[in-house]
Amino acid sequence: NAGVTQTPKFQVLKTGQSMTLQCAQDMNHNSMYWYRQDPGMGLRLIYYSASEGTTDKGEVPNGYNVSRLNKREFSLRLESAAPSQTSVYFCASSPRTGGTDTQYFGPGTRLTVL
Amino acid sequence: DAKTTQPPSMDCAEGRAANLPCNHSTISGNEYVYWYRQIHSQGPQYIIHGLKNNETNEMASLIITEDRKSSTLILPHATLRDTAVYYCIVRVTNTNAGKSTFGDGTTLTVKP
Repeated sequence: NAGVTQTPKFQVLKTGQSMTLQCAQDMNHNSMYWYRQDPGMGLRLIYYSASEGTTDKGEVPNGYNVSRLNKREFSLRLESAAPSQTSVYFCASSPRTGGTDTQYFGPGTRLTVL
Repeated sequence: DAKTTQPPSMDCAEGRAANLPCNHSTISGNEYVYWYRQIHSQGPQYIIHGLKNNETNEMASLIITEDRKSSTLILPHATLRDTAVYYCIVRVTNTNAGKSTFGDGTTLTVKP
């Protein structure tokens, strides 16, 4: 079990460039999430997918789009990167069945926008 | 989901118990309390969760007050490797799964 994997690990973009962050989980989880973490701060939810075929906005969705490609994969796209999007991006998944919903996180993607 | 309040930082001596408090005074009856930690710049790691009763696993114990307005995470014998940011969150699990807020957490520093 690899758990939650993210690619790439590091990325440098110029302002205005686009890119897609990839996330995959092999735990057969229903829900997946994208968070960003700015230096010295907690995690903020960008988008989430409660189940395959659905996506919803979190706290800070502006400037991002997501695609729940299938049950395993959930991608995050920056259409026109801005320096304010320099951050560490974490993907997570959770089973969302029964009474509890523990989230499992990937190792993160460190993005710098110049 | 209810918001939580945690002290920004705490110190603990190696080998002693670390007691991390969390206030969640607006918690609803169907919200669970979860604790995660983040070591250095890694992805957050699940520690423990609970609804009403105290819980214990191989990593930690969770004490929830009877009125559920606060909780304490206990690391019984802290080691240097427990130095991390600890997040307390509350969330409902069967409705809107995405609304849990992590906040800024408590930075625990375990000292030799």
